[in-house]
Amino acid sequence: GQQVMQIPQYQHVQEGEDFTTYCNSSTTLSNIQWYKQRPGGHPVFLIQLVKSGEVKKQKRLTFQFGEAKKNSSLHITATQTTDVGTYFCRATNAGKSTFGDGTTLTVKP
Amino acid sequence: GAGVSQSPSNKVTEKGKDVELRCDPISGHTALYWYRQSLGQGLEFLIYFQGNSAPDKSGLPSDRFSAERTGGSVSTLTIQRTQQEDSAVYLCASSLGGRKGLFFGSGTQLSVL
Repeated sequence: GQQVMQIPQYQHVQEGEDFTTYCNSSTTLSNIQWYKQRPGGHPVFLIQLVKSGEVKKQKRLTFQFGEAKKNSSLHITATQTTDVGTYFCRATNAGKSTFGDGTTLTVKP
Repeated sequence: GAGVSQSPSNKVTEKGKDVELRCDPISGHTALYWYRQSLGQGLEFLIYFQGNSAPDKSGLPSDRFSAERTGGSVSTLTIQRTQQEDSAVYLCASSLGGRKGLFFGSGTQLSVL
């Protein structure tokens, strides 16, 4: 079955540093979605990527979909304390979707 | 409503009792999902409804778990003979379709004593 690996599991950064989380699949994906879950909250949909090599930006967040559509990344430039939380990818292949285990980001002010 | 609504927000029950968790999806969303999340853990898929199609029940952990969706809208997740390991946050999500982003409710925190 489809396997989705998300790395790293945890990331601790100083405020102002950059952060990247990666999502890797064993199979070619039709799309990938990214979600953010604040501590004590529920996951919130951020974005969906569909095309090979696609890059999308939301303010300080940059999302990329690999050329082979097997991996994706979420990069945050100059982290702020409001960025803390767990970031999940959700990968879809052949109509089946799987969430990664998430990357938990903590930011030291 | 404006978002996905789940009730109750908290449920404390005794081991062996049955519980029902309710989810009101966003109006017009054809897809509805149930997930379970234990403290500090990831999202465990339980069940997926899409329109009038047969639900994907592949994530239900045992036959004590069941769910239904009436009239293509409200969904109820039922857990029979609850066990302590059922304690978790149960999250409902809806979307415009199987290929669209999911919008989650605030969840039901289930505690089985």
